[in-house]
Amino acid sequence: AQRVTQPEKLLSVFKGAPVELKCNYSYSGSPELFWYVQYSRQRLQLLLRHISRESIKGFTADLNKGETSFHLKKPFAQEEDSAMYYCALRRGGSYIPTFGRGTSLIVHP
Amino acid sequence: DTGVSQDPRHKITKRGQNVTFRCDPISEHNRLYWYRQTLGQGPEFLTYFQNEAQLEKSRLLSDRFSAERPKGSFSTLEIQRTEQGDSAMYLCASSEGSSVFTDTQYFGPGTRLTVL
Repeated sequence: AQRVTQPEKLLSVFKGAPVELKCNYSYSGSPELFWYVQYSRQRLQLLLRHISRESIKGFTADLNKGETSFHLKKPFAQEEDSAMYYCALRRGGSYIPTFGRGTSLIVHP
Repeated sequence: DTGVSQDPRHKITKRGQNVTFRCDPISEHNRLYWYRQTLGQGPEFLTYFQNEAQLEKSRLLSDRFSAERPKGSFSTLEIQRTEQGDSAMYLCASSEGSSVFTDTQYFGPGTRLTVL
């Protein structure tokens, strides 16, 4: 069975500081990794997926199969980045994601 | 189209009562998913449909839970004989499902259930 671990429940940084939200996974096959975000009073939404290899709102994430990690990074945090972030994994060929417990990011002015 | 909608947004019930939630997916999305989210946890998969067919159910889905999508459009999730442990946010999502590689799930606002 697959598992997603987000070791930090809360990450607090100041505006302009770099951000790294950690995500580790366990899965023996070829996973698909995602980051979802939920802003205050908004719905859960997809932020990015590893196969796209794109930067969304300044965030990037690289799949490191050796370390089984998919950390989310942004060089300069903005106050509007404050939100709940969930890492998720899908088995290859499956439509069903397994979510981590989430990390709350707070960016102080 | 305003996205995935769920009704009701909040439900308070007494232990032992039955409750039913409704989810309306984005038009023409053929896949519909139900999740449960408890405090401090990420969403946990419950079940999903492709059109009207229920393709997969989680072991979390006890016999007291049943879901339907009779015409391949809206879906209902019923919980019979509710227990306090059923208190959670119930999320619905839908996706086009044309390709697993590009599939994106769009989530509804959720129904918050409180069992007293």
